[in-house]
Amino acid sequence: EVQLVESGGGLVQPGGSLRLSCAASGFTFSSSAMNWVRQAPGKGLEWVSSFSVTGGTTYYADSVKGRFTISRDNSKSTLYLQMNSLRDEDTAVYYCAKSTSYLGVIDYWGQGTLVTVSS
Amino acid sequence: EIVLTQSPATLSLSPGERATLSCRASQSVSNYLAWYQQKPGQAPRLLIFNASNRATGIPVRFSGSGSGTDFTLTISSLEPEDFAVYYCQHRSNWPYTFGQGTKLEIK
Repeated sequence: EVQLVESGGGLVQPGGSLRLSCAASGFTFSSSAMNWVRQAPGKGLEWVSSFSVTGGTTYYADSVKGRFTISRDNSKSTLYLQMNSLRDEDTAVYYCAKSTSYLGVIDYWGQGTLVTVSS
Repeated sequence: EIVLTQSPATLSLSPGERATLSCRASQSVSNYLAWYQQKPGQAPRLLIFNASNRATGIPVRFSGSGSGTDFTLTISSLEPEDFAVYYCQHRSNWPYTFGQGTKLEIK
């Protein structure tokens, strides 16, 4: 059974940093593209970042480029999202998500972790 | 950035009725379009990928169609568990984007 378990969310002040983790199990992590998708309270979905297995290419939404960094540790089957210079508008539930063989199609999602940016 | 516009924003129907949800792209996304269902407090669930392919375990009452800029998700006969928010999403090029969602509510 595929499982994705996020951790690391919480309350942080504007300008602060946070690192999210996603522990994966039930599939071959090293062969799977992985993603972060977020959802602000009461709002829709926003694709934040992806880590392709093809050449290790990473992608970022313009709204987080230069502030967020996606990384992975295949030996630990864990995906990370380092978030720096956090802003109020980064407040959201952050989902870790696994792609199918198509990078841009998500077949499994974690339960999400809430990040609140507020003073 | 490709913008996906979903309509209607809210759709009120009764169980047993047919639901038709629309997603329009600001430029062609070929058939690189997926549909997700999200219920309150839950993560989204993949329904359809590549415009018309049902994901594993998705009931046959869900079907997708379209290509280019105009897409449709059809639920042939609504079950009580189908009332939720539905999102379309493209993977034509980066950045991948979602539509703003259609809320399917019980009439």
